[in-house]
Amino acid sequence: DAGITQSPRHKVTETGTPVTLRCHQTENHRYMYWYRQDPGHGLRLIHYSYGVKDTDKGEVSDGYSVSRSKTEDFLLTLESATSSQTSVYFCAISESRGSSHNEQFFGPGTRLTVL
Amino acid sequence: KNQVEQSPQSLIILEGKNCTLQCNYTVSPFSNLRWYKQDTGRGPVSLTIMTFSENTKSNGRYTATLDADTKQSSLHITASQLSDSASYICVVSAITGAGSYQLTFGKGTKLSVIP
Repeated sequence: DAGITQSPRHKVTETGTPVTLRCHQTENHRYMYWYRQDPGHGLRLIHYSYGVKDTDKGEVSDGYSVSRSKTEDFLLTLESATSSQTSVYFCAISESRGSSHNEQFFGPGTRLTVL
Repeated sequence: KNQVEQSPQSLIILEGKNCTLQCNYTVSPFSNLRWYKQDTGRGPVSLTIMTFSENTKSNGRYTATLDADTKQSSLHITASQLSDSASYICVVSAITGAGSYQLTFGKGTKLSVIP
């Protein structure tokens, strides 16, 4: 998985609790992304980062926040988890966002269940 | 609105047989189209990338075609193997200006290869 790890890989939590997912890369890529994948939907972008402390919203950012204090780490936080946030979350990385051939490399995913 | 539609949603074929997966898109302005393979419990992995000027590209037993005029792409798998069982995701990139791009993901086709 191209030097990308996600932790935890599985998590079960209760509604209303805070949850933080971590993505760690060893490729020194500038761009990092968080997606969610749900049945009946394609991968949907939650947030992305284009550098340390530089982040922006994706199409489904409500209820999520992110932080990037180091090049290699990108954190996704659910401040107060809801059942609608039950999903599989994927982290991805890319060297740049400006190249038309730029490939995103995906991590192994985190399966989150909110009861 | 940019959209990517894949068909069929699911497909079951016998080992050794060929199959073709379809992708229709309405993404504009078009930059490139990728096919990803996603094994169960794993992140997507890129198989091929096609730009506007390319009609066909092969990667082993996988052959992708692109018709930019009709905005259609196909992924043909030859002599299928059990390891081809996976979801295949079509991802189209649109140029959004300022040297950046936006990805639109299809919902995927789930392929099952049976002995």
